[in-house]
Amino acid sequence: GAVVSQHPSRVICKSGTSVKIECRSLDFQATTMFWYRQFPKQSLMLMATSNEGSKATYEQGVEKDKFLINHASLTLSTLTVTSAHPEDSSFYICSAPGQGFGGNTIYFGEGSWLTVV
Amino acid sequence: GDSVTQMEGPVTLSEEAFLTINCTYTATGYPSLFWYVQYPGEGLQLLLKATKADDKGSNKGFEATYRKETTSFHLEKGSVQVSDSAVYFCALRSQGGSEKLVFGKGTKLTVNP
Repeated sequence: GAVVSQHPSRVICKSGTSVKIECRSLDFQATTMFWYRQFPKQSLMLMATSNEGSKATYEQGVEKDKFLINHASLTLSTLTVTSAHPEDSSFYICSAPGQGFGGNTIYFGEGSWLTVV
Repeated sequence: GDSVTQMEGPVTLSEEAFLTINCTYTATGYPSLFWYVQYPGEGLQLLLKATKADDKGSNKGFEATYRKETTSFHLEKGSVQVSDSAVYFCALRSQGGSEKLVFGKGTKLTVNP
């Protein structure tokens, strides 16, 4: 079935630096990918929709300049957390629509734990 | 806007016990409904789904029925196993909308031997 892979699974960075997280669709093409964020004991909140060949669409309250999204190809989207601060520490997970379970299905990556120190 | 309300956890059960995790939703029209499972240290995996009223999604012994009249999609399993220990998320996708999902807060299930 469709697989979405995320890298890195865990990353620790210093405050003020930038960190990039990759999301790849391994056996299918995805013109759209989604980036979510999960705080401890909270639900996943949609941050933005990544669109291949065009600008990402951000949800209300998400800083575009801080969370840079680039959908470089039909199989790769990247999320760059710029000038990271400890409050950006969170679980980030991407998803992409594919085929499965008898129809359109949303597949998720393994997620990336970001710790900013 | 659309929203999903899930029963608060954590839930702790003994092996072979019956499991119910309640989920209700608020949405216009007929959204698609999903249960995702997140095992420790892993991402989300689709467990089951239902796309129209009265549909029953099932997988790995888990079941959930799309109830339009009660706007619910409760997850059930007759006999849980230790390997079912995970966090379970109820989610919806709006009717005619994009592939973005609205999630409940998640329910952590621990099954003891």
